[in-house]
Amino acid sequence: QVQLQESGPGLVKPSETLSLTCTVSGGSISSYYWSWIRQPPGKGLEWIGYIYYSGSTNYNPSLKSRVTISVDTSKNQFSLKLSSVTAADTAVYYCASTGYQQKHPMDVWGKGTTVTVSS
Amino acid sequence: SYVLTQPPSVSVAPGKTARITCGGNNIGSKSVHWYQQKPGQAPVLVIYYDSDRPSGIPERFSGSNSGNTATLTISRVEAGDEADYYCQVWDSSSDHQVFGGGTKLTVL
Repeated sequence: QVQLQESGPGLVKPSETLSLTCTVSGGSISSYYWSWIRQPPGKGLEWIGYIYYSGSTNYNPSLKSRVTISVDTSKNQFSLKLSSVTAADTAVYYCASTGYQQKHPMDVWGKGTTVTVSS
Repeated sequence: SYVLTQPPSVSVAPGKTARITCGGNNIGSKSVHWYQQKPGQAPVLVIYYDSDRPSGIPERFSGSNSGNTATLTISRVEAGDEADYYCQVWDSSSDHQVFGGGTKLTVL
């Protein structure tokens, strides 16, 4: 059974870059799509973007100018970088797997990690 | 960009049937997935590909999708079903994942 675990700093200063990593265990990162999703306090889910194990990506247009998602197949990890953060980027950040095709459901989620943007 | 519209809240008495809708332009032509999220927890997939149930999800959960509306139906509602529910699709024209705004299910 595949499991996902997010990791990274819980506190980021305004204007800096948020960096998170999702570690995949119990299975290979290869052949799958992997997504980042976030949830601001008291609000709904927002898709940030996805990466295919080969490295191809697609991002939410509202965040595209600030987001980079990358993959390290040797470590079975994929990562999120969000630049120039503001308080509006404070949220719980989740990683999730989407299977072999983008239309597949996000059937495995990490537990989420809370990131607060504050000086 | 593709938009999914859910009612903010739905209330139902225990033992009754809850129906949560997800509206979108010609959503019937897309595959809809539904997630349940309880406070402080990650979302859990409860329906995928419009009407399939993952293992471990009670048969009380079912889904349908036609025209401009997809529906998650929860029969014989229990107190433990109280949660936020989100619909989600992959929009092939933009290659983006899209979530609905979420519906808070309250069990009276």
